[in-house]
Amino acid sequence: AQSVSQHNHHVILSEAASLELGCNYSYGGTVNLFWYVQYPGQHLQLLLKYFSGDPLVKGIKGFEAEFIKSKFSFNLRKPSVQWSDTAEYFCAVNGNNAGNMLTFGGGTRLMVKP
Amino acid sequence: DAMVIQNPRYQVTQFGKPVTLSCSQTLNHNVMYWYQQKSSQAPKLLFHYYDKDFNNEADTPDNFQSRRPNTSFCFLDIRSPGLGDAAMYLCATSSPGTSGARETQYFGPGTRLLVL
Repeated sequence: AQSVSQHNHHVILSEAASLELGCNYSYGGTVNLFWYVQYPGQHLQLLLKYFSGDPLVKGIKGFEAEFIKSKFSFNLRKPSVQWSDTAEYFCAVNGNNAGNMLTFGGGTRLMVKP
Repeated sequence: DAMVIQNPRYQVTQFGKPVTLSCSQTLNHNVMYWYQQKSSQAPKLLFHYYDKDFNNEADTPDNFQSRRPNTSFCFLDIRSPGLGDAAMYLCATSSPGTSGARETQYFGPGTRLLVL
């Protein structure tokens, strides 16, 4: 079975601070990895995804994530956050042998203070 | 724009009164999912359709049923809603690539269900 762990449940940052949100997964085979963002009152939107190739993936709005296979991690980063980044961020995993199943982490609620 | 549409955005029902939530998509994706998301929690998969094939998660209560009359539409039926079923219900779609699991799920805005 696949599982995802997000260690930080709540993060509070000031504008222009750097962001790193942790994501670790558990799965024995090849994985596809995703970060979704949910802005207040809005639906889940895809930030970025990793299927294969360059382990450093760039997404929308200046976000990037790095897949480190040896650490089973896919941490999300942004060099300088903005107030508009206030949202909940979900890491998700889809194992290649898990069919269509997408397993989400518990989410990290980010608040950026202006 | 191609999208996933959920109606209504807010639904209020009474304890025990059947309710149906709807989802439609213009993406022509062959897989449709229903998730339940309670406050401050991750979305939890209830079931999905791969074309007409229904796949129920093992821990999805029998109280939850689904119908997919065609590619574009999928319904979530809650036969006897309880107070614990109050949540956001998310519909998502995907279209598996040639390698099977390499797909992105696209989410609708959700329907927030309130049970009185």
